[in-house]
Amino acid sequence: DAKTTQPPSMDCAEGRAANLPCNHSTISGNEYVYWYRQIHSQGPQYIIHGLKNNETNEMASLIITEDRKSSTLILPHATLRDTAVYYCIVRVDYGGSQGNLIFGKGTKLSVKP
Amino acid sequence: KAGVTQTPRYLIKTRGQQVTLSCSPISGHRSVSWYQQTPGQGLQFLFEYFSETQRNKGNFPGRFSGRQFSNSRSEMNVSTLELGDSALYLCASSPPFRQGREQYFGPGTRLTVT
Repeated sequence: DAKTTQPPSMDCAEGRAANLPCNHSTISGNEYVYWYRQIHSQGPQYIIHGLKNNETNEMASLIITEDRKSSTLILPHATLRDTAVYYCIVRVDYGGSQGNLIFGKGTKLSVKP
Repeated sequence: KAGVTQTPRYLIKTRGQQVTLSCSPISGHRSVSWYQQTPGQGLQFLFEYFSETQRNKGNFPGRFSGRQFSNSRSEMNVSTLELGDSALYLCASSPPFRQGREQYFGPGTRLTVT
């Protein structure tokens, strides 16, 4: 699975959009980009994933560059409850046959009032 | 639907003892994965079970083992505990055919080895 690079920490004002970048310059054609987050002392929470098209769900949007070497997770209106460590994970989609994830150090997002 | 449940939530053991942790996946989920989280190493994959069979294993010593029952509930066991085994142990389950995509994590079991 390709390696990802994320900034160790970011701040965001409450109510503003939080844009979390992820670099995955060695991503291969069959690798997906996944985002999870972990709020302090809780288990990680799945947010969103995508291959090459931009994706949106009720939690966030995922923007993947055309060359797929980087992506941005967007939380449109950050709240204090979005303060968490955000993990960008790149991995092959095994078609639902393998369930392990490789977590890096992630980005600690602090949403401030 | 109830989420992934893990018991116990907190545990204190002595070096050399063994411990068993339990995980009940979300109803209908047949895949269960286990992870260890420590401040130094972060989140590391331990093993994955699907239909009572271990499908995948991380790079951990043989002291770490697991199993899955016919109702998809899973247990992990650590024998001959070491101080370095102190960690948050997380269990995750996945919906059918989405094991590699969406994982739903439990709250974890905080194990302290003294």
